[in-house]
Amino acid sequence: GAVVSQHPSWVICKSGTSVKIECRSLDFQATTMFWYRQFPKQSLMLMATSNEGSKATYEQGVEKDKFLINHASLTLSTLTVTSAHPEDSSFYICSARNWGLAGDNEQFFGPGTRLTVL
Amino acid sequence: AQTVTQSQPEMSVQEAETVTLSCTYDTSESDYYLFWYKQPPSRQMILVIRQEAYKQQNATENRFSVNFQKAAKSFSLKISDSQLGDAAMYFCAPQTQGGSEKLVFGKGTKLTVNP
Repeated sequence: GAVVSQHPSWVICKSGTSVKIECRSLDFQATTMFWYRQFPKQSLMLMATSNEGSKATYEQGVEKDKFLINHASLTLSTLTVTSAHPEDSSFYICSARNWGLAGDNEQFFGPGTRLTVL
Repeated sequence: AQTVTQSQPEMSVQEAETVTLSCTYDTSESDYYLFWYKQPPSRQMILVIRQEAYKQQNATENRFSVNFQKAAKSFSLKISDSQLGDAAMYFCAPQTQGGSEKLVFGKGTKLTVNP
């Protein structure tokens, strides 16, 4: 149980275009989802936290107009990189947790999406 | 804000031997959780072990155990009987409490297991 999927796993796009990444919890309801970015040989940096049905909370320094996050259902959150540029090329990882699971603070991670902007 | 320090960018261990990865953190909270995650070359994040700060007993999961020193804010991971499959990046991550309960990741330690 507790499987999180991401789609696509790898995407290449042209500079100036927008890209949408999906994060799905397959066998549980994710009341909270997190989006991370990981540059090569670096750690995971939290970009934003999204709760189902409400606006995402962005970390300091993350442009909310550039990285649009939607968490419209308990099993799906999307990250849209708008007007992507080469510096947005990175590995994007989502995670999910279910607040309803008492005593369980674990975040379940998706397999990640590699974004390359040409 | 919480800070996490993993002072060993790289470590190596012989197969079947024991290795300890260090982690220190800074927090003003009294109750929190601490996690070690493993990221193999596939880049899938895998939970290795977790520790609840209010529990004095160190957590263990098979070959993995922690040495949690709350006063020193230290949370080291010991891997016993190392296996080739243990080779990965290891990240220490305290979790903030209240509100979203975010994970704050250290920079990671790359573990190599030599046959």
